[in-house]
Amino acid sequence: DIQMTQSPSSLSASVGDRVTITCRSSQSISNYLNWYQQKPGKAPDLLIYGASTLQSGVPARFSGSGSGTEFTLTISNLQPEDFATYFCQQSFDFYTYSLGQGTRVEI
Amino acid sequence: QITLKESGPTLVKPTQTLTLTCTFSGFSLSTTEVGVGWIRQPPGKALEWLAHIYGSDHKKYSTALKSRLSITKDTSKNQVVLTMTNMEAADTATYYCAHLSATLKYSFDMWGQGTVVTVSS
Repeated sequence: DIQMTQSPSSLSASVGDRVTITCRSSQSISNYLNWYQQKPGKAPDLLIYGASTLQSGVPARFSGSGSGTEFTLTISNLQPEDFATYFCQQSFDFYTYSLGQGTRVEI
Repeated sequence: QITLKESGPTLVKPTQTLTLTCTFSGFSLSTTEVGVGWIRQPPGKALEWLAHIYGSDHKKYSTALKSRLSITKDTSKNQVVLTMTNMEAADTATYYCAHLSATLKYSFDMWGQGTVVTVSS
């Protein structure tokens, strides 16, 4: 199975900061990498699919990049509503869709 | 508008079988481009993908839980059912079902609200 590793597991930031989260896969997954945001007590929301395509309605301060085994999620100009946990998910393996362990973005 | 809602027992005893139903609307689970997946999240922990099924009836399971899981669909009722056998305390979690979109790189683009399942005697 493909393993997904996120770093850091948590970070502290301030409103207006630029934040970068990294996701690495144990083998190449091309651009089959998706990012989700989850707020406490809520279901996750899809932010980015295909490594870099913003889901409809997601603010442009979110961006994704990468290909192969290393991917990043960047939040520029961090807003109060962005404090949440972020997960990456690979969908390259037709058989198993594994997720990263999450990165908590705290104030 | 796509919506999904999970239903099932909130409390299950150890060794029992859990049956969860995902009832959805806004799409038909009859094409290869669309699927439904199940993902769970133990309290304070990460999301864990469990299984998914596509309209073609292609289905796959988590390697770690494969022997305990079964996923089926009822296209006429717009439902997907997940069963998990031999439940134990470590299976206590919020269970989510989600819409799978092949056109969005096989991402989970819409999620249900989740249902909390506690395993305890």
